Amino acid sequence: DAGVIQSPRHEVTEMGQEVTLRCKPISGHNSLFWYRQTMMRGLELLIYFNNNVPIDDSGMPEDRFSAKMPNASFSTLKIQPSEPRDSAVYFCASSRRALAGNTDTQYFGPGTRLTVL
Amino acid sequence: GQQLNQSPQSMFIQEGEDVSMNCTSSSIFNTWLWYKQDPGEGPVLLIALYKAGELTSNGRLTAQFGITRKDSFLNISASIPSDVGIYFCAGGLTGANSKLTFGKGITLSVRP
Repeated sequence: DAGVIQSPRHEVTEMGQEVTLRCKPISGHNSLFWYRQTMMRGLELLIYFNNNVPIDDSGMPEDRFSAKMPNASFSTLKIQPSEPRDSAVYFCASSRRALAGNTDTQYFGPGTRLTVL
Repeated sequence: GQQLNQSPQSMFIQEGEDVSMNCTSSSIFNTWLWYKQDPGEGPVLLIALYKAGELTSNGRLTAQFGITRKDSFLNISASIPSDVGIYFCAGGLTGANSKLTFGKGITLSVRP
């Protein structure tokens, strides 16, 4: 299995520009999570999807952030316009959500390191 | 909201030593997971625990799910230099739309 795939691995952009981060979850997984990691705040959950439907976006910092999951094998996280304080590592994770029982294990991608100048 | 506490923020040990890390919560979880993150990479799952009192090993790693459901610990025995990294605990709850709550992580340094 290829694991969770994220692109790009690194992104450097200027303030005000639109940034799009991409994620391909593990085949067969039906839940997808977007996280942001900074030194100050650690790992923060931004949004997650079950069966391509957004379930909880309470972690999305502002309206500048949006996420979509048009199908089971692809998701995007978009920041428009970007600001320097958005600089962080953004991780995508996926899991195979059971209908009942314990929380499923999440598998993380390698992350996208975003720098906004 | 729920919070997981991991402390200290950093640990420094000598190669060959054992090390133990705790994770505590003010509320109950029914799943505990331990992840390790290497520099420049995403967190990788080490051990998953699904039952109060459960003790699970993975090579030199041993983790336990606390009886109260509010804590977990991870032990690393006979540490080696490649054990260096950030160790995160995460708690989860049963439910169709449950999610994981992560601790802030402990950075482990191993001196050769």
